[in-house]
Amino acid sequence: GESVGLHLPTLSVQEGDNSIINCAYSNSASDYFIWYKQESGKGPQFIIDIRSNMDKRQGQRVTVLLNKTVKHLSLQIAATQPGDSAVYFCAEIASGGSYIPTFGRGTSLIVHP
Amino acid sequence: DAGVIQSPRHEVTEMGQEVTLRCKPISGHNSLFWYRQTMMRGLELLIYFNNNVPIDDSGMPEDRFSAKMPNASFSTLKIQPSEPRDSAVYFCASSDGLIRGLSNQPQHFGDGTRLSIL
Repeated sequence: GESVGLHLPTLSVQEGDNSIINCAYSNSASDYFIWYKQESGKGPQFIIDIRSNMDKRQGQRVTVLLNKTVKHLSLQIAATQPGDSAVYFCAEIASGGSYIPTFGRGTSLIVHP
Repeated sequence: DAGVIQSPRHEVTEMGQEVTLRCKPISGHNSLFWYRQTMMRGLELLIYFNNNVPIDDSGMPEDRFSAKMPNASFSTLKIQPSEPRDSAVYFCASSDGLIRGLSNQPQHFGDGTRLSIL
């Protein structure tokens, strides 16, 4: 999950396992959520998004789940590969607000071959 | 398609010097964002533009920081004078969202400028 400390939470998995990265968001008015992947030396890259009228959305090897009751978002990566190693950020946007995303601190995913 | 392009990729300079970071957003995007990323504070929004107009600069840390967007395809972030605590990775992002009534759209980030102030 997200951290407010100096160190990013880290998830270590074996290649081929499924990974689940969690995010607790803060604003109950947020209605649009995005997951980003950031590899070393690169900018955050869009992975998948979900709007609040949905509770699940699937992409290629990735699934995002949204639980508005407890303000929780998760990213599931199937058959994790070494190339999935990166820092993953969730972002929330409240359409009735500034439309500017609020980013979490990120979770570091390490995939061992 | 070309993504967001930032230059330079790396900048090392001495404190007190002027630093200018450059960004070319994705063609057709109407919103541009400048972020700063550090281990201590994560990703911080500094300023954003909509249709070349600065909308919110409340994230700009001090008067030493300024940003301009003279046209839809170019923006600069300037630090003058620079200080060691400005050392960070600076990202530019663009999107075609931020218009009320339309669906939100994700931001697309450049690969950043790694700035080191000695």
